[in-house]
Amino acid sequence: AQKVTQAQTEISVVEKEDVTLDCVYETRDTTYYLFWYKQPPSGELVFLIRRNSFDEQNEISGRYSWNFQKSTSSFNFTITASQVVDSAVYFCALSEARRGGNKLTFGTGTQLKVEL
Amino acid sequence: GAGVSQTPSNKVTEKGKYVELRCDPISGHTALYWYRQSLGQGPEFLIYFQGTGAADDSGLPNDRFFAVRPEGSVSTLKIQRTERGDSAVYLCASGQGANTGELFFGEGSRLTVL
Repeated sequence: AQKVTQAQTEISVVEKEDVTLDCVYETRDTTYYLFWYKQPPSGELVFLIRRNSFDEQNEISGRYSWNFQKSTSSFNFTITASQVVDSAVYFCALSEARRGGNKLTFGTGTQLKVEL
Repeated sequence: GAGVSQTPSNKVTEKGKYVELRCDPISGHTALYWYRQSLGQGPEFLIYFQGTGAADDSGLPNDRFFAVRPEGSVSTLKIQRTERGDSAVYLCASGQGANTGELFFGEGSRLTVL
């Protein structure tokens, strides 16, 4: 069975601090996809990134960066120079590649609060 | 519309009643998903449509839950004989085909069963 663990329930930082959100996953599949989604107070989940299991290169997009370590089954997300607008719940998710579609298994989320 | 639209945004009902939740996906998206999110939890998969057919309904909790997508666009999630434990936010998402990576989510329908 697939499982995603986000051990950090809530993180509070002061604006401009860097923050890392942890994600650890479990799967028996050799091919899979990992995702991060942002859920602001409006409730709508916003896609941030998808990474497949064969691509362990780290990725940077503006202030966001992702560190995929297959050896430790982790897919951590770092926000550099955090801003108040980054305040949201962030979800890590995993999907099987052997089935059609994106049947995602989500973690329980990390509530990020960025204060002035 | 520009995004995934879900109606109603809020629904309060009494235990035992029948409820329908509607999802209007992004135009042209063939894949449509329903997820359920309880308070403090991540979304849980319910069902996935590719076109008009349910390609995977393994997440439906029991036979009180049913979903249709008769014309391959709008989908309706139907819940019979609602129970208090059905209270949650029901999220709909759409995507272009299978395994495209990005799913576009609606804002959800919050269901409260009294």
